[in-house]
Amino acid sequence: AQRVTQPEKLLSVFKGAPVELKCNYSYSGSPELFWYVQYSRQRLQLLLRHISRESIKGFTADLNKGETSFHLKKPFAQEEDSAMYYCALSGKSSDYKLSFGAGTTVTVRA
Amino acid sequence: DTEVTQTPKHLVMGMTNKKSLKCEQHMGHRAMYWYKQKAKKPPELMFVYSYEKLSINESVPSRFSPECPNSSLLNLHLHALQPEDSALYLCASRGSGQGQPQHFGDGTRLSIL
Repeated sequence: AQRVTQPEKLLSVFKGAPVELKCNYSYSGSPELFWYVQYSRQRLQLLLRHISRESIKGFTADLNKGETSFHLKKPFAQEEDSAMYYCALSGKSSDYKLSFGAGTTVTVRA
Repeated sequence: DTEVTQTPKHLVMGMTNKKSLKCEQHMGHRAMYWYKQKAKKPPELMFVYSYEKLSINESVPSRFSPECPNSSLLNLHLHALQPEDSALYLCASRGSGQGQPQHFGDGTRLSIL
């Protein structure tokens, strides 16, 4: 079974403050982890994937296999970061179907 | 072309109607997916097609009937839907290889009267 847990439904931060979205997963095998973002009235789009280890829009995420976590971080939040963020997992054994966490709504206040 | 295109964008139908949702991609992806998304909830997988063959059906009611006519097209045929089927229906595709993400379309917003 594959499962993704995002413990925070809502996260509110001030502009310029750091933001961290938590994601924990359960999967027997080598998972592929992703962060997707859904801005208001826009399509679901890829933000980060663990395999590329890159920084997009100032966000980074590190896969910690020991803690089975893939937390998303940004040192200085911007107002345009306000959106819904989903952590997702897929694996070869399940035809790469994506299992999503419940999502975290981030609001960045001026 | 790096997009997944879904039509129509909006659909209103009665419970006795028959309609179809269409999804198209020209990225050469051989895996395509249908998801259902309710407001403020994550997408829920419905079907997976791999090389034009249905590989996963997540116990979806038979009033939803998927079809993959070719490697670029995915349809979802709808018949005798219920009001609780009102939702955003998302299509996605995925390329081959490790770590490939799924690319999502804008979705079809479906309302059942």
